Amino acid sequence: ETGVTQTPRHLVMGMTNKKSLKCEQHLGHNAMYWYKQSAKKPLELMFVYNFKEQTENNSVPSRFSPECPNSSHLFLHLHTLQPEDSALYLCASSLLGQGSSGNTIYFGEGSWLTVV
Amino acid sequence: GENVEQHPSTLSVQEGDSAVIKCTYSDSASNYFPWYKQELGKGPQLIIDIRSNVGEKKDQRIAVTLNKTAKHFSLHITETQPEDSAVYFCAARVAMDTGRRALTFGSGTRLQVQP
Repeated sequence: ETGVTQTPRHLVMGMTNKKSLKCEQHLGHNAMYWYKQSAKKPLELMFVYNFKEQTENNSVPSRFSPECPNSSHLFLHLHTLQPEDSALYLCASSLLGQGSSGNTIYFGEGSWLTVV
Repeated sequence: GENVEQHPSTLSVQEGDSAVIKCTYSDSASNYFPWYKQELGKGPQLIIDIRSNVGEKKDQRIAVTLNKTAKHFSLHITETQPEDSAVYFCAARVAMDTGRRALTFGSGTRLQVQP
């Protein structure tokens, strides 16, 4: 148990489907992240949210749409994906600010996405 | 932006031997360097980290060294055990005062410890 919970753990979707990945953190953190992990790029940052505000979008295609309703929850809405989007999508959280624990990022177990 | 290179991509050692994984980074302003271990089917887990105001940090069989002048840092695992087998990632980050940066990761090292 890492304190960051992702659902579903596995998802298979067609290219015309709309689905969402969900992440919840129980660590009292105020920053949340989406990373993509694939054979080509092992850990690639997609989005960063600080205090529910998106502060970074790492040139991610619009078919990926993040949503952060509060500091504990993060969604990744998926629509009209391509087979090359198949990957492990990792959610992470951290506590912003100074201090010895301020920089540690904690990952969830990931959601395995297959686009067919 | 930051660029992190990690070597080797795969490493096989005999149980009881030491393993060393090396990373270099490009942004001299980076001041935080964590190492993550990812086991099969799981997310990465932090195993040790070091900040730029120290040169070495140890935690039991694991140690990390940092050379800021040369912009490289290394993970050392001594007395390796089969359960150390996993993929290890290094990372670097500039201080998140503004919250505008997250970690930049290396490409990973698959460590196999042979019993």
